[in-house]
Amino acid sequence: GEDVEQSLFLSVREGDSSVINCTYTDSSSTYLYWYKQEPGAGLQLLTYIFSNMDMKQDQRLTVLLNKKDKHLSLRIADTQTGDSAIYFCALGGSSASKIIFGSGTRLSIRP
Amino acid sequence: KAGVTQTPRYLIKTRGQQVTLSCSPISGHRSVSWYQQTPGQGLQFLFEYFSETQRNKGNFPGRFSGRQFSNSRSEMNVSTLELGDSALYLCASSLEQVRGYGYTFGSGTRLTVV
Repeated sequence: GEDVEQSLFLSVREGDSSVINCTYTDSSSTYLYWYKQEPGAGLQLLTYIFSNMDMKQDQRLTVLLNKKDKHLSLRIADTQTGDSAIYFCALGGSSASKIIFGSGTRLSIRP
Repeated sequence: KAGVTQTPRYLIKTRGQQVTLSCSPISGHRSVSWYQQTPGQGLQFLFEYFSETQRNKGNFPGRFSGRQFSNSRSEMNVSTLELGDSALYLCASSLEQVRGYGYTFGSGTRLTVV
């Protein structure tokens, strides 16, 4: 089956950029997502990228997709304390069916 | 526009009991999916419904079941609860025609089995 891997923790200084990485095994996914989960809350869709794109920028967020290496990353510029959360990489197919999630990366911000 | 609403938010049940969780999708969304989130296993897909039909099912025992009503609201049921069923159960809805926008999740129901 498909496997999606992320590192468990990332600590960055407030104001710096955060880069959260994700690797996957199945390259047939059409959509690649980044979700954010704050404590006690559900998942919030941050951004997504189609598999035929290499990059997508949305305000402070930049998503990079390297299909050859099966690597997806999320860069958060000017990281703020409100960015503290767990970030999930997820892959979806061409139909509205199940999404495969990574294990999540807990981002902590230090002053 | 209201988001995905899950009720109840918290639930405590005793081992062996059964439980029903409810999910009201965003108005106009016809696809509803359920996920189980635990610290050990992460987010695992339970099932997906579209127009009252189950389209996909994850690798869970038959004690886990669900259904979708004509108004797209969905319920999931867990019978004969086990301690390992303690988890955050998340529901997500999506527009069938706009798959690229992904799924909108509710805040979840936290189930504790004692």
